[in-house]
Amino acid sequence: AQSVSQHNHHVILSEAASLELGCNYSYGGTVNLFWYVQYPGQHLQLLLKYFSGDPLVKGIKGFEAEFIKSKFSFNLRKPSVQWSDTAEYFCALAGGNTGKLIFGQGTTLQVKP
Amino acid sequence: NAGVMQNPRHLVRRRGQEARLRCSPMKGHSHVYWYRQLPEEGLKFMVYLQKENIIDESGMPKERFSAEFPKEGPSILRIQQVVRGDSAAYFCASSKKDRGNQPQHFGDGTRLSIL
Repeated sequence: AQSVSQHNHHVILSEAASLELGCNYSYGGTVNLFWYVQYPGQHLQLLLKYFSGDPLVKGIKGFEAEFIKSKFSFNLRKPSVQWSDTAEYFCALAGGNTGKLIFGQGTTLQVKP
Repeated sequence: NAGVMQNPRHLVRRRGQEARLRCSPMKGHSHVYWYRQLPEEGLKFMVYLQKENIIDESGMPKERFSAEFPKEGPSILRIQQVVRGDSAAYFCASSKKDRGNQPQHFGDGTRLSIL
């Protein structure tokens, strides 16, 4: 069965701290992976995506993620967070032919100024 | 401007009433997905539609829920005889193609509250 697991439900960091949010997935075939961000009261926005090729993917706003096939992981990283990064972050996979997304539970990131 | 337009943003219904949620996809997108976000949970896939066709409804509750995407007009998610447990945020997303390598663009969502 397809599933996505995000281990950190709530993360609190100070500004300039480094960030790593964990994401593990379960899927038997070719997988496409995404990270979305949801700022308070707003719609989900795509941060970055992995389809194939270089496993280190760079996204918007200084975020990056690394696809490690052997670990079934797609962790999100940012070297130095800002207060404006406070939001909820969702890891998702799309498998099969329909493109429907399977989301993780989400991680709420709170950055203290 | 999210591109994907959902309305209303907030909808309040009493138990037993009907709720209709609308979604207009981004220009050029012909694939629509509906997701539900229950309190304290992630988004769950409900249904995937193309114009005049339901392609995958594996995430739809068996009763009271239906969806359509007519040839003209927005996609509609309809919930009949609403119950308290239907209170959630409902998000619509659209994409150009149905393959998994096409990013989906999300609307602002409709927050449904059942009294």
